Amino acid sequence: GQQVMQIPQYQHVQEGEDFTTYCNSSTTLSNIQWYKQRPGGHPVFLIQLVKSGEVKKQKRLTFQFGEAKKNSSLHITATQTTDVGTYFCAGRGQNFVFGPGTRLSVLP
Amino acid sequence: NAGVMQNPRHLVRRRGQEARLRCSPMKGHSHVYWYRQLPEEGLKFMVYLQKENIIDESGMPKERFSAEFPKEGPSILRIQQVVRGDSAAYFCASSAGNSLSNQPQHFGDGTRLSIL
Repeated sequence: GQQVMQIPQYQHVQEGEDFTTYCNSSTTLSNIQWYKQRPGGHPVFLIQLVKSGEVKKQKRLTFQFGEAKKNSSLHITATQTTDVGTYFCAGRGQNFVFGPGTRLSVLP
Repeated sequence: NAGVMQNPRHLVRRRGQEARLRCSPMKGHSHVYWYRQLPEEGLKFMVYLQKENIIDESGMPKERFSAEFPKEGPSILRIQQVVRGDSAAYFCASSAGNSLSNQPQHFGDGTRLSIL
């Protein structure tokens, strides 16, 4: 069946450092969505990518959808303590599947 | 402008009891999704419902678990004869369109179920 993987599972960075999480699907995706879940909170929708090679930016966050529409990345420039949380990708192939998430810790 | 409302926020049950989790979607949303999340783990899809219909229940155990989304009222996730392994956070999400329409899902605060 369709699988969505994310790496790394955990990432600890010093405040001000950059951070990237990668999302890889076993099947071609029609779209990819990214969500953020703060500790103790619920997932919150961040963005959706639909087109091959699409790049979208939200302030310090840059999202990219791969040319083959099987992978995606989220890059955060100059992390802040408010970036702490788990970042999930979710993609639609045969089904809509969430990745296992990347847990980001930011040390002040 | 109320978001997705889930209740209760916390639920404690003893083994063998029943647990009922409720979810009211955002206004105007007719598509509801239930997910289960264990501590430090990702979201595991359980079931997708549209008003009065179960569209996809492939992630829901065949026994003890059931879900409904009646014409009137909230969606209910029901777990019968709970066991310790049912302890988890259960999140409900709703969307304006169906799962093929690329609409984002809006999540509730979840129900944290603890089984004694």
